[in-house]
Amino acid sequence: AQTVTQSQPEMSVQEAETVTLSCTYDTSESDYYLFWYKQPPSRQMILVIRQEAYKQQNATENRFSVNFQKAAKSFSLKISDSQLGDAAMYFCAYTRGSGGAGGTSYGKLTFGQGTILTVHP
Amino acid sequence: DVKVTQSSRYLVKRTGEKVFLECVQDMDHENMFWYRQDPGLGLRLIYFSYDVKMKEKGDIPEGYSVSREKKERFSLILESASTNQTSMYLCASSLFSQGGTSGEVHTQYFGPGTRLTVL
Repeated sequence: AQTVTQSQPEMSVQEAETVTLSCTYDTSESDYYLFWYKQPPSRQMILVIRQEAYKQQNATENRFSVNFQKAAKSFSLKISDSQLGDAAMYFCAYTRGSGGAGGTSYGKLTFGQGTILTVHP
Repeated sequence: DVKVTQSSRYLVKRTGEKVFLECVQDMDHENMFWYRQDPGLGLRLIYFSYDVKMKEKGDIPEGYSVSREKKERFSLILESASTNQTSMYLCASSLFSQGGTSGEVHTQYFGPGTRLTVL
């Protein structure tokens, strides 16, 4: 079974600085997708960034970027120029692709335990 | 933008009551999901549905059932609520395309959540 591990229950960063959140995963699949979701105190889960495993280039979305190390099964999120609005719980998630020997995945997500990010002014 | 709504933000019920949590999405997504979120455990999948009237168990289906009579609506049912079902419940939806390689077809969009307390 696939597992996703976030080893940092809490992280903090000063406003305008850079922080990296860690995520590792375990899978035997070659076709899969990885995601970072953000859940602010208002509780609405929001997609931050996604990475297709078949793409070698790391995904970026404005101040958010990932370091995708496929061989090491590592998928970290870097937040540059941190803002107060970045304070939230961050979840790393994995889903198997539509093909593969395991049959239809239906996009079911496996989540890590989450990392609480605090941003200090 | 995808919009996923849930019937209640906060709900308080008594042990033994039958509880309905409803979720509606407006983007014609095939897949819908119910998760519960507990501190330190992340999100765990209860049930999901990949088409009208189709459902499959997730990782923790015990004590729950679901109903999907229309494509846009997916209901989670607690037949007899218990205190260990006190939790945050999140609904999500996504497209589905067999063999699709676009990240979008695998991306889930979430509702605001329902905080359920069972006394």
